[in-house]
Amino acid sequence: TQLLEQSPQFLSIQEGENLTVYCNSSSVFSSLQWYRQEPGEGPVLLVTVVTGGEVKKLKRLTFQFGDARKDSSLHITAAQPGDTGLYLCAGGYGGSQGNLIFGKGTKLSVKP
Amino acid sequence: SAVISQKPSRDICQRGTSLTIQCQVDSQVTMMFWYRQQPGQSLTLIATANQGSEATYESGFVIDKFPISRPNLTFSTLTVSNMSPEDSSIYLCSVAQRGKAFFGQGTRLTVV
Repeated sequence: TQLLEQSPQFLSIQEGENLTVYCNSSSVFSSLQWYRQEPGEGPVLLVTVVTGGEVKKLKRLTFQFGDARKDSSLHITAAQPGDTGLYLCAGGYGGSQGNLIFGKGTKLSVKP
Repeated sequence: SAVISQKPSRDICQRGTSLTIQCQVDSQVTMMFWYRQQPGQSLTLIATANQGSEATYESGFVIDKFPISRPNLTFSTLTVSNMSPEDSSIYLCSVAQRGKAFFGQGTRLTVV
C-alpha cells in the first residue's frame, strides 16, 4: 500500500513568516501534485512535478520534487492571510488516468 | 482544465434515506472519480466510475452502499444509501486530464 506522510498537520503563523510543508513516502510516484482547498470548495491544483529534482515556482510558492521521486516540499515565502487553507499533496501512479493517493493535508492559518 | 459542476452543494438528510449526487463535466473524460472527505480529513477514494462498465470500488466501500452510474462520458452520479450520521462528509467528484486531477466544489452532506 502506497502512503504519503504529510507534515505538519497544522500550522499557524503570522503574516510575513516563511513556512515549509513536507510530503514523504517510501514509494516512487510518477508525479506529485499539490492542491489548495478552501472551506466549501473542492481542491484546486497548484502544481504538478514529474521529474526527480524538479523545482517549480508559483509567485511566493516554491515546490520541489525529490531526486528519487519519493518526497516533495512546498515552501511559502512571506505568507499572507490569503494563503490560509488546506494544502494537500497527492502522488500519482498508474499512468495518466488520474489515480492519486492523497496525504492527510496541512491546515495553514496565516494571521494578519 | 475541466470544469466540473456538482450538485447539490449541500444537503441535510434523515438517517435511513438515500441521496444522489450528480457530477457534470464540460468535456468527455474516460474515468471519473468519487472521493469522500470527512471533517478535517484528507480525501479518500470511494470508487472509479467507468463509462459502459461497473464502477471499481476501493477497499472499504461497496456498491450496495454507494451505487454509481456513468451513463455517458460527461456525467456520473453517486448515491449514498441508507444513510447514517457516520456518512456525514463532503463528497467530491473528480476527473483526470493529462495526468492532472480536477475537482467539483463538493457536496456537504449532513445526516441527522
